[in-house]
Amino acid sequence: AQKVTQAQTEISVVEKEDVTLDCVYETRDTTYYLFWYKQPPSGELVFLIRRNSFDEQNEISGRYSWNFQKSTSSFNFTITASQVVDSAVYFCALKISSGSARQLTFGSGTQLTVLP
Amino acid sequence: KAGVTQTPRYLIKTRGQQVTLSCSPISGHRSVSWYQQTPGQGLQFLFEYFSETQRNKGNFPGRFSGRQFSNSRSEMNVSTLELGDSALYLCASSSATGSSYEQYFGPGTRLTVT
Repeated sequence: AQKVTQAQTEISVVEKEDVTLDCVYETRDTTYYLFWYKQPPSGELVFLIRRNSFDEQNEISGRYSWNFQKSTSSFNFTITASQVVDSAVYFCALKISSGSARQLTFGSGTQLTVLP
Repeated sequence: KAGVTQTPRYLIKTRGQQVTLSCSPISGHRSVSWYQQTPGQGLQFLFEYFSETQRNKGNFPGRFSGRQFSNSRSEMNVSTLELGDSALYLCASSSATGSSYEQYFGPGTRLTVT
């Protein structure tokens, strides 16, 4: 079975600080996909990034960056120079490609609060 | 392009009643998935439809059902509501079924069962 663990339940930072959200996953499949979603207070899950298991190249997109390491089964997300608008719940998710269980398996989420 | 829309946004029902929630996917998307979000259980997968066929189902009782129409719009139904069914129900669409396709979520329907 698949599992995603986000050990950080809540994080609070002051604006302009960098913050890293941790994600550890478990799967026996060799082909899988990892995702990060953001859920602001409005409730809608906003897609941020997708990574497949064969692509360990880290990515930077503006203030966001992702660090994927298969050796430690981690897919961490960093926000540089955080802003108040970054305050939201962030979810890491996993999807495998084999069998019937191809739905997203979510972690429990990390509530990020950015203080002005 | 319009995003995923869900109606209604808020709903209050009484235990024992049934409810139908609606989801319109992004234009051109043929896969619709439903998720339940509660404070205790987090985000849990309900089912996925593609081309009017249920492709995948989560571990929920038979009171939870769904369907998809030829225009890809989907509905989910919960019969004999229980207090524990109070949750945010999220619908997500993707252009095709398969693990590599990212899913785009709607704003959700917040269901309260009293």
